[in-house]
Amino acid sequence: GENVEQHPSTLSVQEGDSAVIKCTYSDSASNYFPWYKQELGKRPQLIIDIRSNVGEKKDQRIAVTLNKTAKHFSLHITETQPEDSAVYFCAASMLSTIGNQFYFGTGTSLTVIP
Amino acid sequence: DVKVTQSSRYLVKRTGEKVFLECVQDMDHENMFWYRQDPGLGLRLIYFSYDVKMKEKGDIPEGYSVSREKKERFSLILESASTNQTSMYLCASIKGTRSTDTQYFGPGTRLTVL
Repeated sequence: GENVEQHPSTLSVQEGDSAVIKCTYSDSASNYFPWYKQELGKRPQLIIDIRSNVGEKKDQRIAVTLNKTAKHFSLHITETQPEDSAVYFCAASMLSTIGNQFYFGTGTSLTVIP
Repeated sequence: DVKVTQSSRYLVKRTGEKVFLECVQDMDHENMFWYRQDPGLGLRLIYFSYDVKMKEKGDIPEGYSVSREKKERFSLILESASTNQTSMYLCASIKGTRSTDTQYFGPGTRLTVL
């Protein structure tokens, strides 16, 4: 099955700096890669996603890049703000004979220091 | 706006009790999932269902069962709760069976087994 690894597990940055979170996956059949943000005590919320036919996607201060050859994808947050502090999860998804399969990374706890 | 709700936000049960966790989605989604979330382990799939009365085991199904009698409702059952099942339980749903569908999460149930 698919194996998703996520690094780092914790990340602290100064407000205004950039943050980068990296994930790798093992199964080349994965073709959809969402990123979720989970604030303390709240549900994971989708913040950005990328499909395997795209190399990069940007939404304001958030961007995701995908390297299919190397099987890794990254989340980039620029001009970080204190409200960006949360746990971020990457995931890889594929369609199998028994339905959608999602495989999650172990999460990165991001702290933005004012 | 997709709404995924879970029957309880917090639950305290005793060892050996039978526990029911219920998830309801109101957007006619076909696929529904149950995960447990533990620090440092990310989200791990317990069971998922891609149609009424259909279920598939995830990565950690031991000690759990599920029921999906109606499309909108997916129940997780702990037949005999144990202390190692103390965790945050998250339900999720997606619209169809395309691997690029977005997953929506419920608010979570924090279960404590004493």
